[in-house]
Amino acid sequence: DAKTTQPNSMESNEEEPVHLPCNHSTISGTDYIHWYRQLPSQGPEYVIHGLTSNVNNRMASLAIAEDRKSSTLILHRATLRDAAVYYCILRGGSNYKLTFGKGTLLTVNP
Amino acid sequence: KAGVTQTPRYLIKTRGQQVTLSCSPISGHRSVSWYQQTPGQGLQFLFEYFSETQRNKGNFPGRFSGRQFSNSRSEMNVSTLELGDSALYLCASSLAGAGGSYTFGSGTRLTVV
Repeated sequence: DAKTTQPNSMESNEEEPVHLPCNHSTISGTDYIHWYRQLPSQGPEYVIHGLTSNVNNRMASLAIAEDRKSSTLILHRATLRDAAVYYCILRGGSNYKLTFGKGTLLTVNP
Repeated sequence: KAGVTQTPRYLIKTRGQQVTLSCSPISGHRSVSWYQQTPGQGLQFLFEYFSETQRNKGNFPGRFSGRQFSNSRSEMNVSTLELGDSALYLCASSLAGAGGSYTFGSGTRLTVV
C-alpha cells in the first residue's frame, strides 16, 4: 500500500481555518485520496475523498497538488466538535481496504 | 437512514473462550469490512466481504474469522481468546467497495480477562 505522511499533531483556534497536510509521494495514478476522522470513543467518520481535482463538501475541502504527491484537508471554520484524529488514506481502484496510519491529532482551542 | 449497527457494544470474555460479534450494514450496502483498533497498533484491517465472499484479508491469525449472510449482515468470530485480543472492533459498510467511502459503526469493545 502506498504510504502517507502526516504531522502527529496540530492545534487551531475555534472559528479559524485549519489546513491539515498529507504527503503521499508514492501515489499511483489510480489511488484515491481519502480523509477520515475519529472523534473520541467513536468509529472513524468519512470526511472527503478525491482523485485529481479539488473537492468540496459540507464538512471540508480537499486541495490536491498538481503532481498529486500531497494534499491538504481544509476545515474552513474549526469548531470544538472538529477536535479529532484525522487520517489521510490512499485507496486504489481495486483495493477493498483502508490502511490507516497514525493520523494527525487536531486540538481546537476555544 | 439507519447507520451501521454493531452488537454488542461491550463484551467481557475470559482467555480461551470464543466470541462472536455482529454487524448490520446500511441498507443497500453490500460490502462489509472489519477492523481492530488497539492503542499500540492503531486501526488494522481484518477482512472484507462482498456478496457473502471474502475479498480481502489482513494479517491476523486463523483464530479470527468472519462471514457474511445473504442480507449483507456480517459476523466475526474470535476463537481461543488471548489477552492481546482486547480491542475495539469496528465494522464498516460500503456500497460496492473500491473508490467509494465507508461508513463505520461505533464498534464493539472487547475485554479479555
